[in-house]
Amino acid sequence: NAGVTQTPKFQVLKTGQSMTLQCAQDMNHEYMSWYRQDPGMGLRLIHYSVGAGITDQGEVPNGYNVSRSTTEDFPLRLLSAAPSQTSVYFCASSVLLGQGDTEAFFGQGTRLTVV
Amino acid sequence: GENVEQHPSTLSVQEGDSAVIKCTYSDSASNYFPWYKQELGKRPQLIIDIRSNVGEKKDQRIAVTLNKTAKHFSLHITETQPEDSAVYFCAASSTSNFGNEKLTFGTGTRLTIIP
Repeated sequence: NAGVTQTPKFQVLKTGQSMTLQCAQDMNHEYMSWYRQDPGMGLRLIHYSVGAGITDQGEVPNGYNVSRSTTEDFPLRLLSAAPSQTSVYFCASSVLLGQGDTEAFFGQGTRLTVV
Repeated sequence: GENVEQHPSTLSVQEGDSAVIKCTYSDSASNYFPWYKQELGKRPQLIIDIRSNVGEKKDQRIAVTLNKTAKHFSLHITETQPEDSAVYFCAASSTSNFGNEKLTFGTGTRLTIIP
């Protein structure tokens, strides 16, 4: 049981390039999400999905696309990378606990630098 | 939308002393408040949570208190140990059709335990 797997761990992009950050989970969780982590700003929600075929925007969605064709995979696409997208990206999948409480399981993160 | 403020941003305490981290939230509909711990270079992990129908919850050396009227909640760590050094994030969530999966995080507190 691998949990949440993110690839790659590190990436350097040139301004204007596009790329896809991969995220896969093997826990059969319905809810998945992408966060970016910047110094002094905590974890900010980019996009999330409550199940295959359903996605929605979070707090900072501009410049990013997502899709959810299967329960397991939730890739994040950067359409045209900008230096402002330099950050650490975390994918998470969540399990429902009692009373609707949830626990988010995070991937190991992707450190992205846009030059 | 929800806004979560967290203080302090950094905190240093002597080993064995107590540490307190405070968060405030803005949305009165929020009813679930988890805390995540992120060790250096690692992914965030859930350490404790509390629902709005409970005023306090304890798990060994960590406890969380909630004041719904004032819209603030706090993390208390007693008898601190070097392994408590990490960044701590509070979060808030309101119940949707799925559960409390959509989390708004605070900006984080870097806790350093001084041996």
